[in-house]
Amino acid sequence: EADIYQTPRYLVIGTGKKITLECSQTMGHDKMYWYQQDPGMELHLIHYSYGVNSTEKGDLSSESTVSRIRTEHFPLTLESARPSHTSQYLCASSELGQGSFFGPGTRLTVL
Amino acid sequence: GQNIDQPTEMTATEGAIVQINCTYQTSGFNGLFWYQQHAGEAPTFLSYNVLDGLEEKGRFSSFLSRSKGYSYLLLKELQMKDSASYLCAVNGRGGGATNKLIFGTGTLLAVQP
Repeated sequence: EADIYQTPRYLVIGTGKKITLECSQTMGHDKMYWYQQDPGMELHLIHYSYGVNSTEKGDLSSESTVSRIRTEHFPLTLESARPSHTSQYLCASSELGQGSFFGPGTRLTVL
Repeated sequence: GQNIDQPTEMTATEGAIVQINCTYQTSGFNGLFWYQQHAGEAPTFLSYNVLDGLEEKGRFSSFLSRSKGYSYLLLKELQMKDSASYLCAVNGRGGGATNKLIFGTGTLLAVQP
């Protein structure tokens, strides 16, 4: 069973608020990812990390930022949330040659 | 460019066999993955192919042909709980260390009694 956690699971906030979505994994994986997925749509990679102090932007432009200070922790921050940020955010981790393990996701609604 | 194609929807009958196809065009290839995603949930890993041929895992099998840019996921003895989206994803860039997956839009499978 994959040990990757995301909090909160659901979040409803007002426009302009700063939020941080948490993601932690206990598998010791170096590689971690953030995906954004709208209902019924494909996953889009927005950020990834190959290890501590390594972060890169993904294929889909995002106004969010990430940090990787510890191997197990990969938080995503939105400085000023807008309704266009309403989506599901999925965190994942992997090792080379293995499938990515996904967290349960955070469903974000910005009013 | 990078492109992954899957049928949008499929319907099959409980107890039957269904094959979900995936074709891809990517800059580089370092493996193809299949995921299952139930509505409102996160994707779960099903299979991984990096060499040509068939990988079998219980009721699920996955096939890869790198020369044709083609894969399929075969589900046998279908159960109602198999109703879900099936995502084809390719690790398509750079060397093997990247593990950046490009996802298709997914195939929504409906299993009927």
